[in-house]
Amino acid sequence: GAVVSQHPSWVICKSGTSVKIECRSLDFQATTMFWYRQFPKQSLMLMATSNEGSKATYEQGVEKDKFLINHASLTLSTLTVTSAHPEDSSFYICSGRNYRDQQETQYFGPGTRLLVL
Amino acid sequence: RKEVEQDPGPFNVPEGATVAFNCTYSNSASQSFFWYRQDCRKEPKLLMSVYSSGNEDGRFTAQLNRASQYISLLIRDSKLSDSATYLCVVPRGGSYIPTFGRGTSLIVHP
Repeated sequence: GAVVSQHPSWVICKSGTSVKIECRSLDFQATTMFWYRQFPKQSLMLMATSNEGSKATYEQGVEKDKFLINHASLTLSTLTVTSAHPEDSSFYICSGRNYRDQQETQYFGPGTRLLVL
Repeated sequence: RKEVEQDPGPFNVPEGATVAFNCTYSNSASQSFFWYRQDCRKEPKLLMSVYSSGNEDGRFTAQLNRASQYISLLIRDSKLSDSATYLCVVPRGGSYIPTFGRGTSLIVHP
């Protein structure tokens, strides 16, 4: 399958700092990328849909000014958690949407574990 | 009804057993469906796509019942390595925006 990378894989930071997470599609062009958050023992919750060259669409309850998304190219989307607080500690996963041969598949990055102290 | 509903389990089965999970969805307009597997502390990985009536890949069979709005995943001859959480994914009707079920936990024991 296609490959999506994420960087960093884990980060520990102090409360109040901003954290930037990169998501790259390595062998396909992802016009759409998705950002998810997963708390322990819970399902993936979609935070936002990121479309290349346009503003991200945020899910209800997700603060767009806190979770800044930039999708500047067909292979890179970034999520910045601004002024992170302990409640933002979570597993953040991105995925790239790949549409080929009239079939659609999402490929996930390995995730970023964020711990805010 | 929730958009996507799964029994969280856990399903605890011996090696070699056959186990089946169901996933119900609420939006009848949904066209494509997916099963993903997620290991502990890892990202989900695509297991199978279900586009029409069903799909089979080795020991895994996925089926779609549009009338009753559910998809199923059948695992035959379970292996210890099949232990994981199985996530059902249903795009929102009329779009490609995915909705994940909370997952079904499978534990295969010796």
